[in-house]
Amino acid sequence: GENVEQHPSTLSVQEGDSAVIKCTYSDSASNYFPWYKQELGKGPQLIIDIRSNVGEKKDQRIAVTLNKTAKHFSLHITETQPEDSAVYFCAPWDSWGKLQFGAGTQVVVTP
Amino acid sequence: KAGVTQTPRYLIKTRGQQVTLSCSPISGHRSVSWYQQTPGQGLQFLFEYFSETQRNKGNFPGRFSGRQFSNSRSEMNVSTLELGDSALYLCASSLKTGTVNTGELFFGEGSRLTVL
Repeated sequence: GENVEQHPSTLSVQEGDSAVIKCTYSDSASNYFPWYKQELGKGPQLIIDIRSNVGEKKDQRIAVTLNKTAKHFSLHITETQPEDSAVYFCAPWDSWGKLQFGAGTQVVVTP
Repeated sequence: KAGVTQTPRYLIKTRGQQVTLSCSPISGHRSVSWYQQTPGQGLQFLFEYFSETQRNKGNFPGRFSGRQFSNSRSEMNVSTLELGDSALYLCASSLKTGTVNTGELFFGEGSRLTVL
């Protein structure tokens, strides 16, 4: 099955700075790489995703980059704001057709 | 458009009892997946249903079971509850099954189960 590692487990940044979270996976057949954000008391919500035929995707302050050769993809958040404080999960799609969630990264944005 | 609805939101049970959790997917979504979330193990996949058929199953004991109805609503059941079953159980719906295509999962807010 898919082995997913996510780093760091916690990330504290000053408002306005950038945050980067990295996810490594083991299944070379994976072809879909989403990032989910979970706020306190809520279920995870998709914030951005990328498929294996592209290397980078941007959506305003959020971007995801993919290195399929090295089997890792990263979430980049620029100009962080307090509302970015949450737990972020990578969840590569394994060859069995299901998401395998990473352990999560607690991001704290301090004003 | 209503989101994914899970009931009940909170419940307390004692060891040995059983519990049934319910999930109503977004209208038009035919795939429903269940996840268990705990501080120690994170988000773990339980099973996925599509058109009333189980399409995928995670590594959980047979005490965990589920079903899906013709209107796509789903239930999961845990029998002979153990202390370690205390968790947030999340349901997610999507338009397509994972075995056919990838796509966004829409999660509900979860059912928090406490086993005493």
